[in-house]
Amino acid sequence: AQSVTQLDSHVSVSEGTPVLLRCNYSSSYSPSLFWYVQHPNKGLQLLLKYTSAATLVKGINGFEAEFKKSETSFHLTKPSAHMSDAAEYFCVVISGGYQKVTFGTGTKLQVIP
Amino acid sequence: DADVTQTPRNRITKTGKRIMLECSQTKGHDRMYWYRQDPGLGLQLIYYSFDVKDINKGEISDGYSVSRQAQAKFSLSLESAIPNQTALYFCATSDLTSGGYEQFFGPGTRLTVL
Repeated sequence: AQSVTQLDSHVSVSEGTPVLLRCNYSSSYSPSLFWYVQHPNKGLQLLLKYTSAATLVKGINGFEAEFKKSETSFHLTKPSAHMSDAAEYFCVVISGGYQKVTFGTGTKLQVIP
Repeated sequence: DADVTQTPRNRITKTGKRIMLECSQTKGHDRMYWYRQDPGLGLQLIYYSFDVKDINKGEISDGYSVSRQAQAKFSLSLESAIPNQTALYFCATSDLTSGGYEQFFGPGTRLTVL
């Protein structure tokens, strides 16, 4: 079975402080992992992806994530939050011979001025 | 992303009506997907297609049907719409060349069933 768990449905940080959005996955195969961002009333935009190359992945807007196989985690981080980071973030796993796609339930990030 | 388009962008309809949502892509991808998004549930897969002759049910296919008219077109139909199908619907495409089957999303269709 394949699953994605985003451990926090809401995260609130002050502007300029670090961001940590947590994602754990379960897969019987070597997965590809993605983070997408959705700003209010907008579509989904790819932030970054892991596809079995370097385990530390850098994405757009200063975000990065580290694939930790032993912990089955792919947490998203940013050193310093900006007001424009306020959005909903989705962790996605794709794996298996049939490349099954599974979305997490999302984490809403609030950035306080 | 203008490479994946959805029509209509917004639709209000009544219970029992038949509705079709259309998706077109110019990315040349072989795989296409339909998702619905509900608050707090993330995106749930309705149907997906790996090519014109390969269509598969996703997690929540009941009440929906699809048609892959060509590699570039994938339509989602609600044969008899009901209020709990009110949601935001996304079409996506992917391909082996898109790195781990990265999903490319359309802008979404907001459907309201009264």
